[in-house]
Amino acid sequence: SQTIHQWPATLVQPVGSPLSLECTVEGTSNPNLYWYRQAAGRGLQLLFYSVGIGQISSEVPQNLSASRPQDRQFILSSKKLLLSDSGFYLCAWQSRFGYEQYFGPGTRLTVT
Amino acid sequence: AQSVTQPDIHITVSEGASLELRCNYSYGATPYLFWYVQSPGQGLQLLLKYFSGDTLVQGIKGFEAEFKRSQSSFNLRKPSVHWSDAAEYFCAVGATPGSNYQLIWGAGTKLIIKP
Repeated sequence: SQTIHQWPATLVQPVGSPLSLECTVEGTSNPNLYWYRQAAGRGLQLLFYSVGIGQISSEVPQNLSASRPQDRQFILSSKKLLLSDSGFYLCAWQSRFGYEQYFGPGTRLTVT
Repeated sequence: AQSVTQPDIHITVSEGASLELRCNYSYGATPYLFWYVQSPGQGLQLLLKYFSGDTLVQGIKGFEAEFKRSQSSFNLRKPSVHWSDAAEYFCAVGATPGSNYQLIWGAGTKLIIKP
């Protein structure tokens, strides 16, 4: 069966510090991968998606970036965090043959 | 453009009572429709999906949803809620192929259960 992991689970970082969040998927090949953010009390905001290694599409211009160095690894990064980057970050995978997305447990990021 | 509307930000229901969460979509063709549930501090879990066929779909945890094309709706129902159903519920529609099968999300409905 397929599983999706995210780490760390929680992170507290000062403004201006770098960020690296990691997402890995097991049990499937060639998935589409997604990064979402949820601000407190808000819905899902799509940040990035990837249909293959090295292929990244950005939905929202911001100081975040994403990379996909391996087929089942998706990384969210920032060189300098802003207060507005605080939120709950969710990674999801999607089969190439279906619409449904499956989510990881999320990372709670607090920028202080 | 596709869109999803969940008109209720919050809904409060007594434990044991029935539940209906509303979802309306805007889409030019037959949509792919989903309901997800998110417990506090957790990721989203797929409750059920509609692709085609029978318009009443059964999901996990005793939930069902009915697709009504004439009303552009996909409402989620449960005959008797339990305290553990307290969570946020998201409706989503599959966007057109060629946009990499992205999902368009509603804003969510927070379900509060009264004891």
